[in-house]
Amino acid sequence: RKEVEQDPGPFNVPEGATVAFNCTYSNSASQSFFWYRQDCRKEPKLLMSVYSSGNEDGRFTAQLNRASQYISLLIRDSKLSDSATYLCVVPTVSGTYKYIFGTGTRLKVLA
Amino acid sequence: EAGVTQFPSHSVIEKGQTVTLRCDPISGHDNLYWYRRVMGKEIKFLLHFVKESKQDESGMPNNRFLAERTGGTYSTLKVQPAELEDSGVYFCASSQDPPLAGGEQYFGPGTRLTVT
Repeated sequence: RKEVEQDPGPFNVPEGATVAFNCTYSNSASQSFFWYRQDCRKEPKLLMSVYSSGNEDGRFTAQLNRASQYISLLIRDSKLSDSATYLCVVPTVSGTYKYIFGTGTRLKVLA
Repeated sequence: EAGVTQFPSHSVIEKGQTVTLRCDPISGHDNLYWYRRVMGKEIKFLLHFVKESKQDESGMPNNRFLAERTGGTYSTLKVQPAELEDSGVYFCASSQDPPLAGGEQYFGPGTRLTVT
C-alpha cells in the first residue's frame, strides 16, 4: 500500500460545480497535511494546510478524518482557473519532515 | 522577497555525460530539500540539508548522485554519469521553520532533465 494515495482523475466538471477529492494516508501518527496545487510544467504551490479537523479558505475546504485516515479537498463554485493538478502531501512525523506526495488529482473545469 | 530559484530550467544531455543542477533557497531558510518527479510517478524525496549538513539522503537513487551545500546557502546536485532513467523534473524546496514546527516548504520551478 502506498503511503499517500489519490485518485489520479481526471475530473472534468462544468464551471460552477462543486468537486471533492479524497486522499488516504497510511501512517496513523501523521500530524499535518497539505494540499498543493500544481499547474502544468510549474512548481507545486501551497493551497491549504490541515492540522486539526479542517480548514476553510473562500471556496476551498479541507477536512481531516483521522479515524479513517483520509483528508479531503472540496472546491465550490469551480472556476476555469481552478484547472490544475492537486497534490496531497503528508510530511513524515520524525526526522527530516520530508514530504510524501500522492500522485495528484487532475481537475479540468469546463466552460 | 525572492522565491526559490533553480538553474538551469531545462537540460538535455547524452547518457554518460555529467550534469549539475543548482538551487538557491529563499534567503534565511536553513532547510533545503531536493525532490524528483519521473514521468508518470509521484514526486519523491531525494535528500534534506539543514544549513550545510546532510540530514537525510535516504532518497538518493545511487552513488551517481552527489549533492552539496557548501556554506549553507545554495545547493548543487550532480549526476555523473547520467543514465536514461535519471530523466525527470528535479525540484528544490526550502523552509524556514524547524521540521517539527510544521513549516511549509516553498518549491522552486524545477529543472527538467532529459537524458538521451
